[in-house]
Formats: sequence, structure tokens, C-alpha cells
Amino acid sequence: EAGVTQSPTHLIKTRGQQATLRCSPISGHTSVYWYQQALGLGLQFLLWYDEGEERNRGNFPPRFSGRQFPNYSSELNVNALELEDSALYLCAGARVGEQYFGPGTRLTVT
Amino acid sequence: EDQVTQSPEALRLQEGESSSLNCSYTVSGLRGLFWYRQDPGKGPEFLFTLYSAGEEKEKERLKATLTKKESFLHITAPKPEDSATYLCAVQAYAGGTSYGKLTFGQGTILTVHP
Repeated sequence: EAGVTQSPTHLIKTRGQQATLRCSPISGHTSVYWYQQALGLGLQFLLWYDEGEERNRGNFPPRFSGRQFPNYSSELNVNALELEDSALYLCAGARVGEQYFGPGTRLTVT
Repeated sequence: EDQVTQSPEALRLQEGESSSLNCSYTVSGLRGLFWYRQDPGKGPEFLFTLYSAGEEKEKERLKATLTKKESFLHITAPKPEDSATYLCAVQAYAGGTSYGKLTFGQGTILTVHP
């Protein structure tokens, strides 16, 4: 069974640009969660999608947004990038409580 | 607000030297407590879910236990390949049958020397 996949692996952007990150959960997992792991800050919850709907979002500005597609894959968009957005972005899929993480996308903003 | 505190921040052990990692939590209605292992630059790898006080789960050299206020991850006779960051997270009830976000602790960096 294929695990959670994320693309791209690495992404380098400049301040003010937009970034798009993608995630495909394990087959059968209908919920997708996004987390940010910045250096020294631990994993911070960003967004939760379930059955195509946004269910909850963390304490992040509106320039962090996303969506979930009919096949349950998901996209995270970050607009007007700032230097402090540099982090490892992790997505996790779940069908019930346990969340299974992908390898992450390393976003670097210069 | 849900909170998770892990201790110690870092732990250095000799191969074969058993020890425990602590995870203290406060949550408004615990749905589950999760342990993950994370290697540098990679995504967290799921280890255990504990749902109620008194529950224990084991996997190879690892054993997780849960009380109403904290969880322990016991490592018996560790090997160098057990070196990683161990993360604890809690999940609160999100309403109905929904499973909500995880709130993570800062993690314990475990280093096992041969």
C-alpha cells in the first residue's frame, strides 16, 4: 500500500511570491491535515479538510489556504510569502483518529 | 487550550541503557494520545495510540503507558537505530464522530551511543 505522498520535496521562493504544495493521502483516507514545522517551534496545526470541506484552521493568517479535491488529495497555498514561512510543511491523512504523515515539503523563502 | 509538554528535551543513552520519556498534557476531553518517531528531515512515523488511562501498548523495545495527566514512553535496551526525535500529541473531541487536529509537544531528542 502506497504511503502519503507530498510534492515537491523542496521549494525555493522569494518574498512576496506564492507557493503551492500538494498531498495525496493513503487510499481510503478521507481527511487531510496540514502542519507547519518551523525550526524550534514544533509541529503547528494549519488546516483540516474532510470530505472536501475545510473543518478547522489553526492560528495562521488567511494567506494560508487550501482545498481538498474529490479524490481526497489536497493542496496548500501560501500567498505573499514571508521569510518566517520557511519551514517543513507536513500533511497527514486519516480515516479515523490515527494520522499518517507524508515526508514533507521543505519551503525556503529568500 | 490543549497543551503538551515533553521531557527531557534531549536524552543521551548508552546502548542497552533503558529509560523513559515523559509527556504531560492538558486537554478538554481526550480522544487519543499519540506517539510518533521522527528522523531528521522526514515526516513523523506513527508508533502508538492510547485512548484511556491505564492502557499500555508495546512495539519491539518500546512501551507506551497512559494516565489521566501524562504518558510515558519506555525504551528497553535501546539500540543506536532507536536514535530519533520522539513526539507526543493529543487529540481532543471535535464534535460528533469527527477526529480533529493533533496538538504536539516539542519532542524529546533521543541519542543512543554504541
